[in-house]
Amino acid sequence: GNSVTQMEGPVTLSEEAFLTINCTYTATGYPSLFWYVQYPGEGLQLLLKATKADDKGSNKGFEATYRKETTSFHLEKGSVQVSDSAVYFCALSRAGGTSYGKLTFGQGTILTVHP
Amino acid sequence: EAQVTQNPRYLITVTGKKLTVTCSQNMNHEYMSWYRQDPGLGLRQIYYSMNVEVTDKGDVPEGYKVSRKEKRNFPLILESPSPNQTSLYFCASSSSTGPGGYTFGSGTRLTVV
Repeated sequence: GNSVTQMEGPVTLSEEAFLTINCTYTATGYPSLFWYVQYPGEGLQLLLKATKADDKGSNKGFEATYRKETTSFHLEKGSVQVSDSAVYFCALSRAGGTSYGKLTFGQGTILTVHP
Repeated sequence: EAQVTQNPRYLITVTGKKLTVTCSQNMNHEYMSWYRQDPGLGLRQIYYSMNVEVTDKGDVPEGYKVSRKEKRNFPLILESPSPNQTSLYFCASSSSTGPGGYTFGSGTRLTVV
């Protein structure tokens, strides 16, 4: 079946540090890949997505590239801010058949950014 | 504003007392789903629906029921809640026209004592 593995957290960084959160996946065919962010006390928000190999999703300074050869979708940001403190979830979705649109999530990575 | 609305936000109940968590979306989405979020486990799908009157089990359906009588509503029903159903629940919806991402509700924190 499909699965998503994220790097263990929590991750603690100082403001303006470089961020990488690793995500690898297992899936048949060609899934779509997503990063969601959950701020304290809120629901999940779509951060970025990529729908085919070599696509780069980007939003709010975050980037992730769909790497089919390594089955990875690592999240990066060049300079984090305190306001980026949140839980980040990697997820995949496969279209078609009875599993249309089902999201499979990683376990989430807690990011804390200190001033 | 396009949104998924869940109610209630917080609920404390006793074991065995039936409850319903409502979910409504205003985006005319075909696909709706319920997830539960537990520490260290991420989000796991409970049930999903591809359209009106079409529902199916997700990864952790035991102890839950759903219905989809109208396109906009997708309630989650716990007929006899137990403490292991204490969790944070999210409803989500998506258009069937492509993997454009999902809109999530704000969550319902359920405690069963």
